[in-house]
Amino acid sequence: QITLKESGPTLVKPTQTLTLTCTFSGFSLSTSGVGVGWIRQPPGKALEWLALIYWNDDKRYSPSLKSRLTITKDTSKTQVVLTMTNMDPVDTATYYCAHSSVWYFNYWGQGTLVTVSS
Amino acid sequence: DIQMTQSPSTLSASVGDRVAITCRASQSISDWLAWYQQKPGKAPKLLIYRASSLESGVPSRFSGSGSGTEFTLTISSLQPDDFATYYCQQYNSYSTFGQGTKVEIK
Repeated sequence: QITLKESGPTLVKPTQTLTLTCTFSGFSLSTSGVGVGWIRQPPGKALEWLALIYWNDDKRYSPSLKSRLTITKDTSKTQVVLTMTNMDPVDTATYYCAHSSVWYFNYWGQGTLVTVSS
Repeated sequence: DIQMTQSPSTLSASVGDRVAITCRASQSISDWLAWYQQKPGKAPKLLIYRASSLESGVPSRFSGSGSGTEFTLTISSLQPDDFATYYCQQYNSYSTFGQGTKVEIK
């Protein structure tokens, strides 16, 4: 059974750096073809893809946010970490991590709401 | 960047209706398209990938079609559990989601 769960702060101040962790089970990020991505959704708005990391450590970022994002995986390959710098109130959103086989996302975490406010 | 445009934004329908949601890409994406269903407060659920492949466990009343720039998600007979918001996602060049289509009770 594949599960993913996001964790991190619920409130960050403007200009701060956000660090989110995705802890997963039921699959290995060492398996060829497997990836973990991050997607966010501002309240009442649409989904926005942010980043994706593959089993071979290949990384892809949304072009519009690339300068602010870093995605990494840990050596045990059961966690993926996303950092986003220079947070702004417009970054307030529910952040999801998800399992990916071929860029689509077939298993999702429950999401974590991050509010950016002073 | 590839832009994805869904229509309509809101769709009012009744149980048993056949409904169709369209997703248009700003450039050709072959068949690299997925559809998701999302209910309030929940994570999205994958319905269709590769434009027309039904994800395991998804009811057969859901179907996808199209290639290139125009795609359709069809629900053959709307059920009470299907009232939700639906998103398309292209994954031909990085990834982009559509703005969503809310299917509401008529």
